[in-house]
Amino acid sequence: QEKVQQSPESLIVPEGAMSSLNCTFSNSASQSIWWYQQHPGKGPEALISIFSNGNKKEGRLTVYLNRASLHVSLHIRDSQPSDSAVYLCAVRGTGSNRLTFGKGTKFSLIP
Amino acid sequence: EAAVTQSPRNKVTVTGGNVTLSCRQTNSHNYMYWYRQDTGHGLRLIHYSYGAGNLQIGDVPDGYKATRTTQEDFFLLLELASPSQTSLYFCASSDARRGQVFFGKGTRLTVV
Repeated sequence: QEKVQQSPESLIVPEGAMSSLNCTFSNSASQSIWWYQQHPGKGPEALISIFSNGNKKEGRLTVYLNRASLHVSLHIRDSQPSDSAVYLCAVRGTGSNRLTFGKGTKFSLIP
Repeated sequence: EAAVTQSPRNKVTVTGGNVTLSCRQTNSHNYMYWYRQDTGHGLRLIHYSYGAGNLQIGDVPDGYKATRTTQEDFFLLLELASPSQTSLYFCASSDARRGQVFFGKGTRLTVV
């Protein structure tokens, strides 16, 4: 069974800051890694995914994947109030369509 | 935009009662999933299916049954509900090719 761990559990940053969220997984052969955003009272929504080693950028988001170290990170540039949410890392296993999720990072902006 | 609709949105039942949670997707996706979300545990997969009549066991299946009657409809059944099943339940769907999973808005179930 795939294991996914996220850190930190919570992160509070000032508006406009660059933020980094981390995720480690247990199987280097996992198909793809996804980041989901979940606002209170809502279902998770996919933000960005990555399959190959390296980085991928979409708007203010950049994700970095290192399969050798079983590590993926999500970087949010120019943090906005609308970014306040729980961020979930999810791994799609080999030969499977199921996603295994981490426990999430609660991301907030300093009021 | 992919659509997954869950009903009811909120449900309160007594210990030992029967509960059915319903999910319909209009995305023409093959895969459908039931997750539960609890503080300290995150999202955990209960059951999933890759087509009508198919059922696959997830990571926390005990106490739950599921049935996929059509490509669109997936049901989660709690036949003897217990307080430990108090949780936020999410249904989701995906296609085999892209892998992106689309979630419903959730059903909050309370077992008293």
